[in-house]
Order: sequence, then C-alpha cells, then structure tokens
Amino acid sequence: QQQVKQSPQSLIVQKGGISIINCAYENTAFDYFPWYQQFPGKGPALLIAIRPDVSEKKEGRFTISFNKSAKQFSLHIMDSQPGDSATYFCAAIGSNFGNEKLTFGTGTRLTIIP
Amino acid sequence: DTGVSQDPRHKITKRGQNVTFRCDPISEHNRLYWYRQTLGQGPEFLTYFQNEAQLEKSRLLSDRFSAERPKGSFSTLEIQRTEQGDSAMYLCASSPVLAGTETQYFGPGTRLLVL
Repeated sequence: QQQVKQSPQSLIVQKGGISIINCAYENTAFDYFPWYQQFPGKGPALLIAIRPDVSEKKEGRFTISFNKSAKQFSLHIMDSQPGDSATYFCAAIGSNFGNEKLTFGTGTRLTIIP
Repeated sequence: DTGVSQDPRHKITKRGQNVTFRCDPISEHNRLYWYRQTLGQGPEFLTYFQNEAQLEKSRLLSDRFSAERPKGSFSTLEIQRTEQGDSAMYLCASSPVLAGTETQYFGPGTRLLVL
C-alpha cells in the first residue's frame, strides 16, 4: 500500500521557470515531511523539510507548501537552473513507534532545459 | 569526511553467492537505517537500529537478509543465496535520537548486481 503519492513522474521546465512537484499522504501519524534530491548514482540528499504546524517553509529558491487538512504538500523550485536537474523524492515520517522510518514517494525526474 | 559512508560502492555477484555490505554512520548518530532502491523507484525501508538494538524489520527483509550493528557504531547487511531480484541500490542512513531531529542523512549507497 503506497502511503505517499507523488506527481508528476517527470517534469520538463525551462531555465528560470518554476518547478512544482506534488505529494499526498494517507497516514495521519506522519509528522515530518522532507524532500530529497538525488543525482544518478548518488544517495538521496536532504533538500528541505517541513512540520505540519506551518503552512509554508522557504529556503533560498526552494519552498514547501503544506495543506494539513488535504494531507498534501508540494515543492516549488523558483528560478529553476540546469543544475537542479535531478530526481526529487517527497517523504514522510512519524515520531511514534511503527512510523519511525521514511516512506518515500515514487519520485519526479526533473529536467531543466536552457 | 563526516558523512555516512558505505562499502563497497559496487558489487557484482553470481546468483547463489553471499554478499555483505558495510555502513559507517555519522559519528554520534544513534539510529541507523537500511533502505533498498530499485531503478525508477523511491527507497524502501528494510530495517533500523537504535544503538545496537534492531527495532524494526520490514516484511521486505526475507530470511536471506540479516543486519547487525554489534557495537552500536557501524552496521553490516548480509544477503545469503542472492537472487537476481536482489539487484538494487542498498542505502544506509543515520540520524540522531533527539526530539525534533527526524532528519536522516544518506550514504552514497552500494549498487548490487546479481548475475
């Protein structure tokens, strides 16, 4: 049972544009939502994370928007650059026993074109 | 280098052979996780340790898989009688055990190919 659904599967954005990736979760025990960036042949690297007590978090060009009632969250990459081309994974984790491991979405392959 | 390290980075083996992977977590991180990632998919949880205690195992972790963290520092993941379906990237991650620190830091992974 997939507990975190991610879309789109792939995304092509022009340089300077806004990249938007969406995720939805089912388990209300999740209370921490990180986004990871992964380049080919490398391990996932933490990009930005949010807790459900805030609706938005911004770090540089990266923003997470969070809608607790809808159980949805999204990653926005402003002024997208070719170096942002990678696979992005949303994830969720809970702090209570049985939920203390990351559940990942299926990933979005982002390509930034000049 | 203070990140998570994994060894080897790549492993090619024949079906039926045993393989062992090692993970060295970030120093002083109490929790250590193993995940498996197949091509085009997100990582899937296998098991995790808090210090030397193995607290949870996924149903993905069949009897052929065993993980240890004997002294609460590095961990090993062994796969016995490998099958072609075991081909994947095996990722290790670590995190501290403090309130508000659920962030997990991943190593570069060990890519396993079973022929």
